[in-house]
Amino acid sequence: DAGVIQSPRHEVTEMGQEVTLRCKPISGHNSLFWYRQTMMRGLELLIYFNNNVPIDDSGMPEDRFSAKMPNASFSTLKIQPSEPRDSAVYFCASSRDGGDEQFFGPGTRLTVL
Amino acid sequence: AQSVAQPEDQVNVAEGNPLTVKCTYSVSGNPYLFWYVQYPNRGLQFLLKYITGDNLVKGSYGFEAEFNKSQTSFHLKKPSALVSDSALYFCAVRDDYRGFKTIFGAGTRLFVKA
Repeated sequence: DAGVIQSPRHEVTEMGQEVTLRCKPISGHNSLFWYRQTMMRGLELLIYFNNNVPIDDSGMPEDRFSAKMPNASFSTLKIQPSEPRDSAVYFCASSRDGGDEQFFGPGTRLTVL
Repeated sequence: AQSVAQPEDQVNVAEGNPLTVKCTYSVSGNPYLFWYVQYPNRGLQFLLKYITGDNLVKGSYGFEAEFNKSQTSFHLKKPSALVSDSALYFCAVRDDYRGFKTIFGAGTRLFVKA
């Protein structure tokens, strides 16, 4: 298996622009997680899905952030409009079931100028 | 509420010496405990987990961890450190009463000196 796939790997954008991050989980995994990692705040869980349904989005910082999982093999995290404080590495992870160990993608490094 | 603490920002060890990275947790129900490692510019990689059973759990790359219920700890250990073990280590906990949400610690940076 190719593992969790994230795209793009790097994104540089200007403040106010829309940013869309993409994730393909491991086939057969039914839970998907989005995390944000910064030096100041460490690793933060933003939202997670089970069987394509959002279970807990309490970590989403504000309404500018939204996430979707239209099918078992694809998820997006959208920021609109983006701000410089959104600059971070965003990780997607999947697991066979929600309580099992998670497999992380390589991350998307987002820089908002 | 569930929480996890890694009291050391950094651990320094000489190659060949044993290493310990500390982790304590707090949950309402039964804990599911995990250790992950992160190398530079990479995602986190799973090392080992405790769900039930033996208190000593063995994982990847020669690492092991000991679950101590009375001390609510889950310290990561390795008998003989390698320079290549230098990385960022995360402890994580899931409370079986709280669904799938897993809380990660702040991370401990391990430096192994040759």
